[in-house]
Amino acid sequence: AQSVTQPDIHITVSEGASLELRCNYSYGATPYLFWYVQSPGQGLQLLLKYFSGDTLVQGIKGFEAEFKRSQSSFNLRKPSVHWSDAAEYFCAVGALNTGTASKLTFGTGTRLQVTL
Amino acid sequence: DTGVSQDPRHKITKRGQNVTFRCDPISEHNRLYWYRQTLGQGPEFLTYFQNEAQLEKSRLLSDRFSAERPKGSFSTLEIQRTEQGDSAMYLCASSKRQSSYEQYFGPGTRLTVT
Repeated sequence: AQSVTQPDIHITVSEGASLELRCNYSYGATPYLFWYVQSPGQGLQLLLKYFSGDTLVQGIKGFEAEFKRSQSSFNLRKPSVHWSDAAEYFCAVGALNTGTASKLTFGTGTRLQVTL
Repeated sequence: DTGVSQDPRHKITKRGQNVTFRCDPISEHNRLYWYRQTLGQGPEFLTYFQNEAQLEKSRLLSDRFSAERPKGSFSTLEIQRTEQGDSAMYLCASSKRQSSYEQYFGPGTRLTVT
């Protein structure tokens, strides 16, 4: 079964500083990988996704993520954080060919706090 | 594209009562998903529909839970004889069949069982 680990429960960065949120996955084949953001009282918004091809993917709001098969990682990055980026970030993996083609498995999330 | 909507946004109920939540997906999406999110956790998959057919149910979905999508449009999730452990955010998502991993989430229904 697939699983996702987000080792950082809470991260605080200063506005304008760079950001990296870590995500490690466990899956037997090439996974489909996602980052979602959730603001308080809101649903999840898809930031970016990796299916295949170029391992560096660009998303919305200036975010990017890099798929590293050798490290089973899909870390999210942003060069300069804005105060409005404060939210909960979830990494997710999609399974294929298991009979649950549409099921997403999420990590426990990383809460980002931005200080001014 | 008006997004996925869920109703109600908040529900407080007493233990033992039945509750029903509604989800309206994006109109051209034929797949619909239910997830549950407890405090401090990521969403956990419950079930999903392709049109009106319920194609998979998680082991998390006990016999007290039932989901329907009668005409392949909106869906309902009913919890019978609620327990305090049912307190959670219930999220609905939808996608097109040919891009089923691009799931668009609604704002969720927060259930509190007292």
